[in-house]
Amino acid sequence: DSGVTQTPKHLITATGQRVTLRCSPRSGDLSVYWYQQSLDQGLQFLIQYYNGEERAKGNILERFSAQQFPDLHSELNLSSLELGDSALYFCASSVAHGSSYEQYFGPGTRLTVT
Amino acid sequence: AQSVTQLDSHVSVSEGTPVLLRCNYSSSYSPSLFWYVQHPNKGLQLLLKYTSAATLVKGINGFEAEFKKSETSFHLTKPSAHMSDAAEYFCVVSDYGNQFYFGTGTSLTVIP
Repeated sequence: DSGVTQTPKHLITATGQRVTLRCSPRSGDLSVYWYQQSLDQGLQFLIQYYNGEERAKGNILERFSAQQFPDLHSELNLSSLELGDSALYFCASSVAHGSSYEQYFGPGTRLTVT
Repeated sequence: AQSVTQLDSHVSVSEGTPVLLRCNYSSSYSPSLFWYVQHPNKGLQLLLKYTSAATLVKGINGFEAEFKKSETSFHLTKPSAHMSDAAEYFCVVSDYGNQFYFGTGTSLTVIP
């Protein structure tokens, strides 16, 4: 158990809908990362927050947004969902935002768009 | 630009024999390098990391990796495979920009 929690575990929704994925980092970790894992794209970095501020942006679509709250939990919002958004979404946390800090991954949220 | 190439998408070994998972990286700066393992339907777990200290890095579960700057490689090895090692393995490079680049993964099968 990494100490990173994600809810929900599974989510099934229809095209065009909007969903919110939630992540609680390990106790003491200030950085949160979001990743998308799909069979065709592999593991893609989406976005990183550090202590409430956006630090790095990867291959995140404009339909997706995220934020980190004062209590350090983070939410990833996915809107106007398409079939291709079906994937496993991981959250990870690290103690700081430097490149040498290892990340601890949550169990993921499996999103199915029908 | 930073990138990671995992040279084998699938590796199959017999239980008790050595494991070698190959990873080459490209980085303009002194990178940090990681290996993660993902068991089916689970999140990723850190095996080991290199951050410009000793070039031979020891990780959990008997795994180790050697950073070779001249070859831009960071191969993962284990002397003796165990059935529980069957999983997907990811090599990761991180640079000064705080972005983490994942390889496409190597699926390890361990034959009894």
